[in-house]
Amino acid sequence: DGGITQSPKYLFRKEGQNVTLSCEQNLNHDAMYWYRQDPGQGLRLIYYSQIVNDFQKGDIAEGYSVSREKKESFPLTVTSAQKNPTAFYLCASSIGTVPTEAFFGQGTRLTVV
Amino acid sequence: GQQLNQSPQSMFIQEGEDVSMNCTSSSIFNTWLWYKQDPGEGPVLLIALYKAGELTSNGRLTAQFGITRKDSFLNISASIPSDVGIYFCAGPSELNAGKSTFGDGTTLTVKP
Repeated sequence: DGGITQSPKYLFRKEGQNVTLSCEQNLNHDAMYWYRQDPGQGLRLIYYSQIVNDFQKGDIAEGYSVSREKKESFPLTVTSAQKNPTAFYLCASSIGTVPTEAFFGQGTRLTVV
Repeated sequence: GQQLNQSPQSMFIQEGEDVSMNCTSSSIFNTWLWYKQDPGEGPVLLIALYKAGELTSNGRLTAQFGITRKDSFLNISASIPSDVGIYFCAGPSELNAGKSTFGDGTTLTVKP
């Protein structure tokens, strides 16, 4: 079955440590996105990539980094520079460069203690 | 960045009631998307709208693309307990067609 997979579902890290969240899709989609969701708020765009080896900052990119070495994979690193990293992180993909009809993963809940 | 204003922020209704929620923007949108998010899960697309004035249904859900292209509406008829969740509007605006902006969501609670 085609889909988009995020792992792990829950992640705990100590303050000051970098952590990488995985996102893999087998939908053959060109574009991939990372969003952050805080309680009671909508989704805020962190980074997005429309083609392999290229990505752009979203609205809240500070303290995060990404790579897009393969079409299927778009990992997100939450660095120690991110001041408030505890959140629910969602990865998505869409078939073209215009982000219609995005398909989302199940999310990773990151808790930094 | 672009802002989408969703209202109401939350709704508490009785099973069987109809629900209406809307989304407005100061910018023109080319596409309106409505998603539903179950607790602890990723959002799932419910309805996509591509033309001003378009009215589209998906089962008990009906959504409309506003004529001004600055708003959209989602209606749910005869609500059931599994309608519980957060409903988001989203879309790429004319000002930034390369990415979608999301509203803050409408949280729906359905009492049996």
